[in-house]
Amino acid sequence: GAVVSQHPSRVICKSGTSVKIECRSLDFQATTMFWYRQFPKQSLMLMATSNEGSKATYEQGVEKDKFLINHASLTLSTLTVTSAHPEDSSFYICSAKRDMDANEQFFGPGTRLTVL
Amino acid sequence: LAKTTQPISMDSYEGQEVNITCSHNNIATNDYITWYQQFPSQGPRFIIQGYKTKVTNEVASLFIPADRKSSTLSLPRVSLSDTAVYYCLVGSGGYNKLIFGAGTRLAVHP
Repeated sequence: GAVVSQHPSRVICKSGTSVKIECRSLDFQATTMFWYRQFPKQSLMLMATSNEGSKATYEQGVEKDKFLINHASLTLSTLTVTSAHPEDSSFYICSAKRDMDANEQFFGPGTRLTVL
Repeated sequence: LAKTTQPISMDSYEGQEVNITCSHNNIATNDYITWYQQFPSQGPRFIIQGYKTKVTNEVASLFIPADRKSSTLSLPRVSLSDTAVYYCLVGSGGYNKLIFGAGTRLAVHP
């Protein structure tokens, strides 16, 4: 159990377009989901915390108008990269927690975004 | 959130035991210590979690001294497939988020 999926696994888009990435908890309800970004050879950087039914909490330095997060249900969170540019090319990873007191996060397989 | 410090990289050979130590001097009373493994272009995978003393599962052991200011992940008899980045994280459920440090890049050689 505790499987998190992401779709798509990789996407290539033109500069200026928007891209939506989905994160789903397949066999559990996730009250909280997290979005990370990872550049090559670097660690994961937390972008935002997404709570079902409320606005996401963004980490310092992350533009909330550029990275739109929607957590419409207990099993789905989406990250939309608006007006993507080449510098947004990265590996985007989501994770989910099963309940508020859980110490373990379950990570998705990641989405490779390439902006041309 | 407690900051963690790990060696940037380690090398080992197949069949050896590997111990990766993580320092977390500012760990809080209600913090747990969690280790994740990440392969290239994949999401992190949970390895083990502990609060104090020793925890063992089918893939690793986690040793935590009494002061909890450090922890050691022990991988018995590593194989080539254990080549990955290993992250030590400290936090509690109440914090609701995990902050990744640089991790330790383990290379297992034939």
